[in-house]
Amino acid sequence: ETGVTQTPRHLVMGMTNKKSLKCEQHLGHNAMYWYKQSAKKPLELMFVYNFKEQTENNSVPSRFSPECPNSSHLFLHLHTLQPEDSALYLCASSQEFFEGSGYTFGSGTRLTVV
Amino acid sequence: SQQGEEDPQALSIQEGENATMNCSYKTSINNLQWYRQNSGRGLVHLILIRSNEREKHSGRLRVTLDTSKKSSSLLITASRAADTASYFCATAPYNTDKLIFGTGTRLQVFP
Repeated sequence: ETGVTQTPRHLVMGMTNKKSLKCEQHLGHNAMYWYKQSAKKPLELMFVYNFKEQTENNSVPSRFSPECPNSSHLFLHLHTLQPEDSALYLCASSQEFFEGSGYTFGSGTRLTVV
Repeated sequence: SQQGEEDPQALSIQEGENATMNCSYKTSINNLQWYRQNSGRGLVHLILIRSNEREKHSGRLRVTLDTSKKSSSLLITASRAADTASYFCATAPYNTDKLIFGTGTRLQVFP
């Protein structure tokens, strides 16, 4: 257990479904991130939140909608996804502008869109 | 565009041997970090080297950074089967706090 918890671990959804991924950290970090990891591609940064405010949206399609109600929780709401959205979605947290410890990642949600 | 690229893409060695992985990047950075990922799991932070540092050690890990060549290397000494994983370098571009990851090196250590 890293201190960053992601649920669910696995998710299978149809293209017309709506689902949400959840990320929770109690490390006292003030920055949280969503990354997408597809086979044979580098990790893609999707969204960055600092102190609950979104500071980065890396040209992510609107079918992905992030939400950060407080500095400990981060959600990724999914709707009308495509099969190519199937991937491992990783959440991470860090202490902004404190370089000492890097990012702490959760174990990820393996998403399959059918 | 992709910031970091690791080389080689895959590496197979015997237990006890040393493993060296290289990373190249494109822009000025605050720091460079190395992460490890076991199959299908989250990434684990291994070591961070700041842009004004040239070498850093942590246990069996040794990281070097050459900012003039925009490159870094990760050396794992006396490798073990448990070191089998994918290794990623990640750079924090100057004046940002976001990390950009490379493509990774898949390391296989045979007993």
